[in-house]
Amino acid sequence: EPEVTQTPSHQVTQMGQEVILRCVPISNHLYFYWYRQILGQKVEFLVSFYNNEISEKSEIFDDQFSVERPDGSNFTLKIRSTKLEDSAMYFCASVQRDNQPQHFGDGTRLSIL
Amino acid sequence: GDSVTQMEGPVTLSEEAFLTINCTYTATGYPSLFWYVQYPGEGLQLLLKATKADDKGSNKGFEATYRKETTSFHLEKGSVQVSDSAVYFCALSPNYGGSQGNLIFGKGTKLSVKP
Repeated sequence: EPEVTQTPSHQVTQMGQEVILRCVPISNHLYFYWYRQILGQKVEFLVSFYNNEISEKSEIFDDQFSVERPDGSNFTLKIRSTKLEDSAMYFCASVQRDNQPQHFGDGTRLSIL
Repeated sequence: GDSVTQMEGPVTLSEEAFLTINCTYTATGYPSLFWYVQYPGEGLQLLLKATKADDKGSNKGFEATYRKETTSFHLEKGSVQVSDSAVYFCALSPNYGGSQGNLIFGKGTKLSVKP
């Protein structure tokens, strides 16, 4: 069965540095999402992306965050200047049509030192 | 705003015990409801879903019924196995004119099943 893949599985970065988290959605999917889960807390929606533009974003997704689909397969989340509170598990998800359940990747654990 | 509340864990059961994980929601309109499961070291996998009131979602022996009158979507399984040990997340997706919005998750409930 096709899967959403995320790399790296664990990223350790110094505070203030830029980080890029990568996702390869399922190939025929059109809607893409990023969520995050701070340790011990809820999974929270960050941003959704369709037709090469952001369709919705949460309050968490401020100017430090950006998303991009640089080619036909990758979907990236960039954090420009990381803070300690950005430490979390970040999940990518995709779906073919917006009325179908989302498929999730295994997540990237981001640790900010 | 819309929200999901699920019972605090961890839940520890013996094999073949009956499982209930409570989930209630707050939403305007008619959301779709989901249970996702996260096995150790893996991502979130859809376990089951229900898109309208009184629908019952089922998969792998798990069931949940969409109860609009009690705004609940409790997860049940009659006889759990060690392999069911995982974290279970209740989630809702608001419906906007038939299209689903972004998922809103509960905190997750960790289930440990002992042999």
